Parts: sequence; C-alpha cells; structure tokens
Amino acid sequence: AQSVTQLDSHVSVSEGTPVLLRCNYSSSYSPSLFWYVQHPNKGLQLLLKYTSAATLVKGINGFEAEFKKSETSFHLTKPSAHMSDAAEYFCVVSDRDTGFQKLVFGTGTRLLVSP
Amino acid sequence: DTAVSQTPKYLVTQMGNDKSIKCEQNLGHDTMYWYKQDSKKFLKIMFSYNNKELIINETVPNRFSPKSPDKAHLNLHINSLELGDSAVYFCASSQRGQGATGELFFGEGSRLTVL
Repeated sequence: AQSVTQLDSHVSVSEGTPVLLRCNYSSSYSPSLFWYVQHPNKGLQLLLKYTSAATLVKGINGFEAEFKKSETSFHLTKPSAHMSDAAEYFCVVSDRDTGFQKLVFGTGTRLLVSP
Repeated sequence: DTAVSQTPKYLVTQMGNDKSIKCEQNLGHDTMYWYKQDSKKFLKIMFSYNNKELIINETVPNRFSPKSPDKAHLNLHINSLELGDSAVYFCASSQRGQGATGELFFGEGSRLTVL
C-alpha cells in the first residue's frame, strides 16, 4: 500500500530565506509523486510532479523537488521564500498498483513566511 | 472558463437535512472524484467515476450518494446530514488511460457547515 509522511506540520521561515518541506513516501511500485499547494479558502493547485523521468523536478513559482529512491524522499525546496508562498503544501503519491487512480495525500505542511 | 467548477461554494444547513453539491469540468477528462477535507486539512478520497462508472468507493456512509450523468459532471447528494459531515468537499478530475500520471485538477471546494 502506498503512503506519504510529511515530517513537519508547520514550517516558519523569513522572507528571502530558503524553504525545505520534507516528504517521505512508501510505494510498492514505481510511484508518481506530486506536490500540491493550497492557499487559504482555495482549491489545490499542482506545484510539480515526478513521473519517472528526471529525478530533479522543477515546478511553478521557483519550487523544485528531488526524487531520491534510496531515501524514499521527495522533499520540496525553494531558494528564497516570498510572502505569497504562505500556504498549505501537500505531498501526494500514486502508483501503478491503483492504475494511478488513487492519490494518497500527506497530512500537509503549513508554510508561514514572516517579513 | 473555470476548468473544474463546483457549486455552491458555501452551504450552511441543519442536521437531518438533505443537500447536494454539483461539479462540472470542461477539461475533457474522463475521470472525476470527490474528496473530503476535514478541519485538520486532511484530504481523503470518497468516490471516483470513470466515464460515468463508479470505480472507487471508499468507506463512506451510504447517506452519501454520488451521481454522474455524463463524464463532465459529478454530483454529490448527502442525506440526513450529521454534524460530522461538516467539511470542505473538493471535486477533481483527471485523464485516465495510457500515460496517465494521476495528476488531478481541483475545484475550489464547497464548505459544508452542519448546525
């Protein structure tokens, strides 16, 4: 069975400093991995996805994530935080076992950005 | 030109009532979903339809009944509402089939409050 663990429920950074949101996954087969962002009172928007191509994936708004099979991790990073990055971030896994039909969401990490 | 739209955005009702939430997607996708997000932001899949056929039915009370009149629409009807049904319900869509990666496109959510 597939699962994801987001290691931090809250991460606080100052504007202009790097962001690291951690995610570990468990999957029986080659997984697809995603990061979604949810701004307050909004739906979820895809930031980036890994689908067995390049292990370093670049997304929107300067975010990127690296797929590390040996560590079963897919951490999300950004070199310099912006106030508009404050939101809830979800790491998500799906795999061939479910025909990529069932996405399993992590519990989310709230990113707080202070001036 | 909203890709996935759901109505209503807010719904406040009394316990015991019956209510419906509607969802429409104009992306040409063949698969649609309902997710429930609780007060702790945890997202859990409830149902998935592929070409009007139910393919995922998680452990959900049978008071919840999805209906898909065509592949662009997926509605959710809830009978005898209970306090615990208060949540944000998200509709999403994706394209299944060869090359599918599981990427979901979400609506903005429908916040249901049961008093």
